[in-house]
Amino acid sequence: DAGVTQSPTHLIKTRGQQVTLRCSPKSGHDTVSWYQQALGQGPQFIFQYYEEEERQRGNFPDRFSGHQYPNYSSELNVNALLLGDSALYLCASSLTGSDQPQHFGDGTRLSIL
Amino acid sequence: QQQVKQSPQSLIVQKGGIPIINCAYENTAFDYFPWYQQFPGKGPALLIAIRPDVSEKKEGRFTISFNKSAKQFSLHIMDSQPGDSATYFCAASPLRNTDKLIFGTGTRLQVFP
Repeated sequence: DAGVTQSPTHLIKTRGQQVTLRCSPKSGHDTVSWYQQALGQGPQFIFQYYEEEERQRGNFPDRFSGHQYPNYSSELNVNALLLGDSALYLCASSLTGSDQPQHFGDGTRLSIL
Repeated sequence: QQQVKQSPQSLIVQKGGIPIINCAYENTAFDYFPWYQQFPGKGPALLIAIRPDVSEKKEGRFTISFNKSAKQFSLHIMDSQPGDSATYFCAASPLRNTDKLIFGTGTRLQVFP
């Protein structure tokens, strides 16, 4: 039973570029949440997708957008990258309506030069 | 009101010691309080979680103590082992599994033999 998988593992971009990160949820899960974890900090909630729509959003600018596909996989897109976007981006999945906790992937390490 | 404050920032104990990590919150709407363990290069993994209708929960060597009136909760690790060396995050959420998690800033624990 595969857990949450994220790709790529590492990514290096330059300021102003755009990036797409991908997440496959744990088998049986239908909800995907994205978090940003800066070095030495706790994860911060970006947004959550359920039934292919953004259900909740944290305090992140519109440069951060996402998508969820019918198979429940999800993408995080970040436009006009800034140096401050350098972080570990975590995907977490869960099953809406269940009593099970969110499961996290190992993240994508994004470095902005 | 959305913050979760965590202390200490780092902790060093000898093998067999009982490290204690504390968290405090302000939002009385929080209803679910999980603790996550994170190793370098990995995503957070759920250790143990508690709801405010109980004051203590034990799972193996890990215990959560919860004080609803003080809006504080803590993690105790009994008989700590070098393999417990990791970063620990407390978190809070209005709902168990599908709502956004608000994380503390983390505690880096080192357990020496």
